[in-house]
Amino acid sequence: AQTVTQSQPEMSVQEAETVTLSCTYDTSESDYYLFWYKQPPSRQMILVIRQEAYKQQNATENRFSVNFQKAAKSFSLKISDSQLGDAAMYFCAYIAQGAQKLVFGQGTRLTINP
Amino acid sequence: EAGVAQSPRYKIIEKRQSVAFWCNPISGHATLYWYQQILGQGPKLLIQFQNNGVVDDSQLPKDRFSAERLKGVDSTLKIQPAKLEDSAVYLCASSFSFSGNTIYFGEGSWLTVV
Repeated sequence: AQTVTQSQPEMSVQEAETVTLSCTYDTSESDYYLFWYKQPPSRQMILVIRQEAYKQQNATENRFSVNFQKAAKSFSLKISDSQLGDAAMYFCAYIAQGAQKLVFGQGTRLTINP
Repeated sequence: EAGVAQSPRYKIIEKRQSVAFWCNPISGHATLYWYQQILGQGPKLLIQFQNNGVVDDSQLPKDRFSAERLKGVDSTLKIQPAKLEDSAVYLCASSFSFSGNTIYFGEGSWLTVV
């Protein structure tokens, strides 16, 4: 069964600095998709970034970028120039091509210190 | 483009009472999901619909939970009778299809069972 592991329950960073959130996953599939979702206190899950496993190039979205290491089954999220609004729970998620279920990690709570 | 709509946003009920949550997915999205998120945990899939058919309900406690998606658009999730451990946020989500497309979430319905 596919599993997603986020080994950092909590992280904190100074405003304007860079922080990296870790995620590893276990799968025997070759085609799949990875996501990072942000969940602020309102509890709405907001898509931050998406990576297709067949793409070697790491996805980027403004201040957010990923380091996708397919062989190592690692998918970390880098947030540059951290802002107070980035404070939230961050969930890493995986879904295999053609599969039905999005599998979530346990989440990392990110605190931004002013 | 309108997002996933959910109501009510908040509900407090006594144990053994019943409650129903409503979800309207993004227009054109064939796949609809209901997730349960207990505080401090990642979301857990309860049920997944493809149009008006159930694709996966393996983690739905069928003795007390039921869900339907009539006409393949709106969906309702019902809990009867509620237990204390059902206190959670119920997240509705939708996607164009389930094959690797991004899943978009609603704001969630907070349930407290007292």
